[in-house]
Amino acid sequence: KNQVEQSPQSLIILEGKNCTLQCNYTVSPFSNLRWYKQDTGRGPVSLTIMTFSENTKSNGRYTATLDADTKQSSLHITASQLSDSASYICVVSKGSYDKVIFGPGTSLSVIP
Amino acid sequence: DAMVIQNPRYQVTQFGKPVTLSCSQTLNHNVMYWYQQKSSQAPKLLFHYYDKDFNNEADTPDNFQSRRPNTSFCFLDIRSPGLGDAAMYLCATSSNYRDSYNEQFFGPGTRLTVL
Repeated sequence: KNQVEQSPQSLIILEGKNCTLQCNYTVSPFSNLRWYKQDTGRGPVSLTIMTFSENTKSNGRYTATLDADTKQSSLHITASQLSDSASYICVVSKGSYDKVIFGPGTSLSVIP
Repeated sequence: DAMVIQNPRYQVTQFGKPVTLSCSQTLNHNVMYWYQQKSSQAPKLLFHYYDKDFNNEADTPDNFQSRRPNTSFCFLDIRSPGLGDAAMYLCATSSNYRDSYNEQFFGPGTRLTVL
């Protein structure tokens, strides 16, 4: 069964600290994995995309990793800011335009 | 800027009263999607259009319908909203070109409240 799981479900960290969010998937065939950030009451916005051959990709303070062998991905946030408070959703694509599997998301709260 | 626009941002309707949500895009993408997202849950795909071809998800209730009169616009019609239909409704678009990695661009969403 094609599934995407994320952990933790929610996370609270102090401003300035680092954190890592996890994504495990069983989607097959695999095309790419994308991390989205969704602010409360807004639509998701893409942070990074990784294909099978990519191990790491950065976007500012966000760094995503992918291990296609173990089917795991992580999103590392460095020097967190209050504006990082959002839901982070891992989305795996099967390759065709209509086949994307959403994870349940991790709710991150950054507090002063 | 190219973007996905949803109107209204907030919609309040009465139980059983039909409602229409609107989505427009300036990206000239072939594919448009409608998602339903309930609190603390992942978006759930309702249906999508590939050009004018309509593709309904198997578990989408008949209460939900959609129209795409042209490339730029897509509408979500809820014929008889129930309390369980209160949610955020997200519109998204994507290009069908392989080198775009199927990225979906989301609109800001319409928050639907059913009284």
